[in-house]
Amino acid sequence: QQQVKQSPQSLIVQKGGISIINCAYENTAFDYFPWYQQFPGKGPALLIAIRPDVSEKKEGRFTISFNKSAKQFSLHIMDSQPGDSATYFCAASMRAGNQFYFGTGTSLTVIP
Amino acid sequence: DTGVSQDPRHKITKRGQNVTFRCDPISEHNRLYWYRQTLGQGPEFLTYFQNEAQLEKSRLLSDRFSAERPKGSFSTLEIQRTEQGDSAMYLCASSFWRVIGEDTQYFGPGTRLTVL
Repeated sequence: QQQVKQSPQSLIVQKGGISIINCAYENTAFDYFPWYQQFPGKGPALLIAIRPDVSEKKEGRFTISFNKSAKQFSLHIMDSQPGDSATYFCAASMRAGNQFYFGTGTSLTVIP
Repeated sequence: DTGVSQDPRHKITKRGQNVTFRCDPISEHNRLYWYRQTLGQGPEFLTYFQNEAQLEKSRLLSDRFSAERPKGSFSTLEIQRTEQGDSAMYLCASSFWRVIGEDTQYFGPGTRLTVL
């Protein structure tokens, strides 16, 4: 059973546009929601993370929006650049269990 | 570079052979995790250690898989009698876990295993 559901599977955005990736979860015990960026042949790299006590977190061009009641969270990439082309994974974890549950990934392509 | 390192980066083996991968975590990190990632999927949790204690291993894929962290520093993941279905990227991550505070996991570059 997929603990974290991610969509879309792939996304094509024009340079300068906004990329939006969505994730949904069921387990209300999750209390940490990171996003990772992965380039081909590399390990995932932490991009930004949020805890459920806030509804939004922004770091540079990257913003997480969190809706606790809907059990959904999303990543917004503003002013998308070709260098942002990568696979993005959402994840969820709980301090008691600690393991991360990853979504299935979104392949983002930013065209010049 | 003080990030998580993994060795080897690539491993090609024949079915039935044993393989061992090594992970060196960030030096001050007390937790170390192993994940498997297959093509087009997110990382799948396998096991983790806090210092030298293996706190969760029920998610290891079969009894052919085992992991150790003998001195609480580096860790090894061994797969015995490899099968073609074991072909995947094996990722290691580490974190500095405290009772209160962030528990961000930092990933290594992975070891890509190909079983012929």
